[in-house]
Amino acid sequence: AQSVTQLDSHVSVSEGTPVLLRCNYSSSYSPSLFWYVQHPNKGLQLLLKYTSAATLVKGINGFEAEFKKSETSFHLTKPSAHMSDAAEYFCVVSPPEGTGTASKLTFGTGTRLQVTL
Amino acid sequence: DGGITQSPKYLFRKEGQNVTLSCEQNLNHDAMYWYRQDPGQGLRLIYYSQIVNDFQKGDIAEGYSVSREKKESFPLTVTSAQKNPTAFYLCASGERDYEQYFGPGTRLTVT
Repeated sequence: AQSVTQLDSHVSVSEGTPVLLRCNYSSSYSPSLFWYVQHPNKGLQLLLKYTSAATLVKGINGFEAEFKKSETSFHLTKPSAHMSDAAEYFCVVSPPEGTGTASKLTFGTGTRLQVTL
Repeated sequence: DGGITQSPKYLFRKEGQNVTLSCEQNLNHDAMYWYRQDPGQGLRLIYYSQIVNDFQKGDIAEGYSVSREKKESFPLTVTSAQKNPTAFYLCASGERDYEQYFGPGTRLTVT
């Protein structure tokens, strides 16, 4: 069984300040974890993924996330927000890659990031 | 230009009518997926296919049907049996058991 909780439905930051989007997961195995971003009325774009290699994962557009098994967390961060970062962000958990069950993605309910001037 | 295309972007239908949403990919991916997205919720899996001529129900398959006659195509039909069809529909594809790549979505409105 697996589940994912995004702790904030809405986060507002000023341009140039750090971004922190929080995600906790629950899994009965060692999961794969993903962050996707969705701009209004668009599809989802993969930002980064964790698949049991390095615990600090770097993604596109300056985002990174750290897998912390002891805290069952996979928080997304960025040192300096840009206006173009304003979007919906989804944390996703799945069984490990290559186990025949990657169809079983479980999505969080999303965090809307607002970036102000 | 590689990617996933969904058409149309916006679709309007009257209640009681079936409607088919198109999804095409030229990424040579084996697996394709359909998700439904409602406001304030995560994505929910409708159907998925890991190989041509085979597909499985996801978590919310009732009122939907699919076919997978070609590797690059995975159309979704929203039937009149779907009680609440108005939603944003997203198609995805990927190598089996690995990350999924999403199309731009189709917003369906049924009145």
